[in-house]
Amino acid sequence: NAGVTQTPKFQVLKTGQSMTLQCAQDMNHEYMSWYRQDPGMGLRLIHYSVGAGITDQGEVPNGYNVSRSTTEDFPLRLLSAAPSQTSVYFCASSYGSGRAYEQYFGPGTRLTVT
Amino acid sequence: EDQVTQSPEALRLQEGESSSLNCSYTVSGLRGLFWYRQDPGKGPEFLFTLYSAGEEKEKERLKATLTKKESFLHITAPKPEDSATYLCAVQARTNAGKSTFGDGTTLTVKP
Repeated sequence: NAGVTQTPKFQVLKTGQSMTLQCAQDMNHEYMSWYRQDPGMGLRLIHYSVGAGITDQGEVPNGYNVSRSTTEDFPLRLLSAAPSQTSVYFCASSYGSGRAYEQYFGPGTRLTVT
Repeated sequence: EDQVTQSPEALRLQEGESSSLNCSYTVSGLRGLFWYRQDPGKGPEFLFTLYSAGEEKEKERLKATLTKKESFLHITAPKPEDSATYLCAVQARTNAGKSTFGDGTTLTVKP
């Protein structure tokens, strides 16, 4: 199993550009999430999904869109990049309902907006 | 709103010097509390899940404990390879899709 994969690893955008960060998992996990991590801080939840076709907002959703058309993929779209979106973005997945399940994280995408 | 506070922000230890990291939490009904390890430039890696007060889990030099308000990660006789950032997160019973993370404790173990 590849686990959780993210592309690209690094990206530089100009203010106002749009782009999509890709995330895929091959563990048949129901739940998937996107986080951002700023220097010296923990992870802040952007959007999450509890199954194909179901998404919801997290703590910091403004400026980002998501969709989940398949169990495997959960792309994150930046609509109009701003310098405040410079961060490291992590995608994570886990098993679903029942007890609390741990999350498996991808390697991250380092995004710089100039 | 669920909240997680970790202390200290940074901890420097000599090899072999045991210590504890603290995670204080507020959640509307705990589904689970998680500890993760994060190495520089990498994604977090799962360590433990704790479900109810009084529970303990161990792995090598690490032991995690849980009370109704906080969790501790005890590190016994640490080695330099234990140097990392340790993150605590909670999930509420009302929403298993969401995890709330603390800001982490960065541990440095000097040989």
